[in-house]
Amino acid sequence: EAGVTQFPSHSVIEKGQTVTLRCDPISGHDNLYWYRRVMGKEIKFLLHFVKESKQDESGMPNNRFLAERTGGTYSTLKVQPAELEDSGVYFCASIRYSLNTEAFFGQGTRLTVV
Amino acid sequence: GQQVMQIPQYQHVQEGEDFTTYCNSSTTLSNIQWYKQRPGGHPVFLIQLVKSGEVKKQKRLTFQFGEAKKNSSLHITATQTTDVGTYFCAAIYGGATNKLIFGTGTLLAVQP
Repeated sequence: EAGVTQFPSHSVIEKGQTVTLRCDPISGHDNLYWYRRVMGKEIKFLLHFVKESKQDESGMPNNRFLAERTGGTYSTLKVQPAELEDSGVYFCASIRYSLNTEAFFGQGTRLTVV
Repeated sequence: GQQVMQIPQYQHVQEGEDFTTYCNSSTTLSNIQWYKQRPGGHPVFLIQLVKSGEVKKQKRLTFQFGEAKKNSSLHITATQTTDVGTYFCAAIYGGATNKLIFGTGTLLAVQP
């Protein structure tokens, strides 16, 4: 089966611009997570979807970040307007709890805000 | 909020030496997972521990889950250069959200 895919792999934008990241989870995985890793530090939780519903968005930094998962398939994470501190690698992970709780990660999107 | 601490943050070893990273939670965990992220890569699942006091081995890697299910460790015997990367523990905090929270990570450097 196809793994978790993320697009784009890299994005360089100017401060104040908008960027939208996309994640396609493994088919059939209801649980989708967004994480961010900054400067090689911890993998910080951003939010968790179960199907199309936001279960927990307590990790979202502020209202400049908007995540959606229409139809419970792919998800988007939009940053508008981007700030310098938003730079980092954004990972998406999907899990199918009915089988096990192993999280499958995408390759990540490296976002650089200049 | 939920937090999982790992020590050390960084470990530099000579190839052939052993390595251990420790993971601690302030609350009891239902299970714990371990992931490895190579430089420039993405986290890859290694193993899951569920039972109190559980010990699992994968070749040179030994994983333990504490009796109180609040701590865990990963031990690598005779490190190799291919072991380089950041090792994360991760825990699912249940209740309504089943949120997967990662530890702070331990970066392992192996000198040939």
